[in-house]
Amino acid sequence: NAGVTQTPKFQVLKTGQSMTLQCAQDMNHEYMSWYRQDPGMGLRLIHYSVGAGITDQGEVPNGYNVSRSTTEDFPLRLLSAAPSQTSVYFCASSYYRANTEAFFGQGTRLTVV
Amino acid sequence: QQQVKQSPQSLIVQKGGISIINCAYENTAFDYFPWYQQFPGKGPALLIAIRPDVSEKKEGRFTISFNKSAKQFSLHIMDSQPGDSATYFCAADNQAGTALIFGKGTTLSVSS
Repeated sequence: NAGVTQTPKFQVLKTGQSMTLQCAQDMNHEYMSWYRQDPGMGLRLIHYSVGAGITDQGEVPNGYNVSRSTTEDFPLRLLSAAPSQTSVYFCASSYYRANTEAFFGQGTRLTVV
Repeated sequence: QQQVKQSPQSLIVQKGGISIINCAYENTAFDYFPWYQQFPGKGPALLIAIRPDVSEKKEGRFTISFNKSAKQFSLHIMDSQPGDSATYFCAADNQAGTALIFGKGTTLSVSS
């Protein structure tokens, strides 16, 4: 099992560009989530999904969209990148809900210039 | 509004010493309290977790102490080793299990 796979690992965007961060898991987990990690801020929840076709907003959803068409994939879309979205993004999955062990990907380091 | 407050922000401990990291929460609906460990360049990984039906849980050198009335929980690392040097995050979630909320993290350095 590969676990949780995120692509790309690094990305530089210009302000106003859009892009999609990919996340895939091969553990048949129902729950998936996206976090951003900024120095001194910990991990902040952007969006989450409790199953295919169901998504909801977390703590910092503005500027991001998600969809969950399959159990395995949970892409995160940046609509119009801003320097404030410079961060490290982590995708995570859990077997059933967030109150079970979360498995994190390796992260995507995004820089918006 | 920060729902999980973690302290200290950084911690330096001698090899063989005890590392203690504290967290406090506000939401009484929280009933799942994990600790995650993160090494540089890696994603966080679950270290140990507790639910409020017990006051303490121990796994090897790592212990969670939980005080429901004070709404506080802490991580104790006994016999700290240089390999324990990492960032540690406490977190909390409620019974619905929809949103794991993290503290801001503690960077632990264990000096040899």
